[in-house]
Amino acid sequence: KAGVTQTPRYLIKTRGQQVTLSCSPISGHRSVSWYQQTPGQGLQFLFEYFSETQRNKGNFPGRFSGRQFSNSRSEMNVSTLELGDSALYLCASSYYPGTGGRSTYEQYFGPGTRLTVT
Amino acid sequence: GENVEQHPSTLSVQEGDSAVIKCTYSDSASNYFPWYKQELGKRPQLIIDIRSNVGEKKDQRIAVTLNKTAKHFSLHITETQPEDSAVYFCAASTASGGSYIPTFGRGTSLIVHP
Repeated sequence: KAGVTQTPRYLIKTRGQQVTLSCSPISGHRSVSWYQQTPGQGLQFLFEYFSETQRNKGNFPGRFSGRQFSNSRSEMNVSTLELGDSALYLCASSYYPGTGGRSTYEQYFGPGTRLTVT
Repeated sequence: GENVEQHPSTLSVQEGDSAVIKCTYSDSASNYFPWYKQELGKRPQLIIDIRSNVGEKKDQRIAVTLNKTAKHFSLHITETQPEDSAVYFCAASTASGGSYIPTFGRGTSLIVHP
């Protein structure tokens, strides 16, 4: 089956601009979560969407937002970009047992979007 | 909030040796502990996980142990191979709204010398 895809793979933006990143999960996975990975802060959880609803949120400012569509594809948006937002943004597609018949939790990451803010 | 400490930051072993990576967490409400492997330039991969009602879990050459009382959990890799070289992340997660909120350790760079 097709894996998790993220677009674009690389992005260069200027401070103050906004950016939208996209994630397409594995077919049948209804949960999409987003993470920020930087050398300084490591891996940090941004938020998670399930069935078009934000189910959980990490400790990030309101400039970071997201949404999920009825086909489970998700987007995250960062407004008023800052230099410190430069990072690898990863999404993960998850399957929770009990939501579709299988008994094992699954989680697969996408390849990430490398965002550089100048 | 949750705080996860991971040690060591770098671990160098010879092929065939065992490797152990340890994580401690602070929030006793954490109840799900996944481990991830990230090879250089690649995406993280969930390799094993353990829930708080289990003390140990094995999958071929990897195993994870959990000590809830001491709030620490460890990843054990036996008979290491060069392809095990990667950065390994632990996470401690609290259940919320039907899923988990993870806090990650800073990662351990494992180097397996042939």
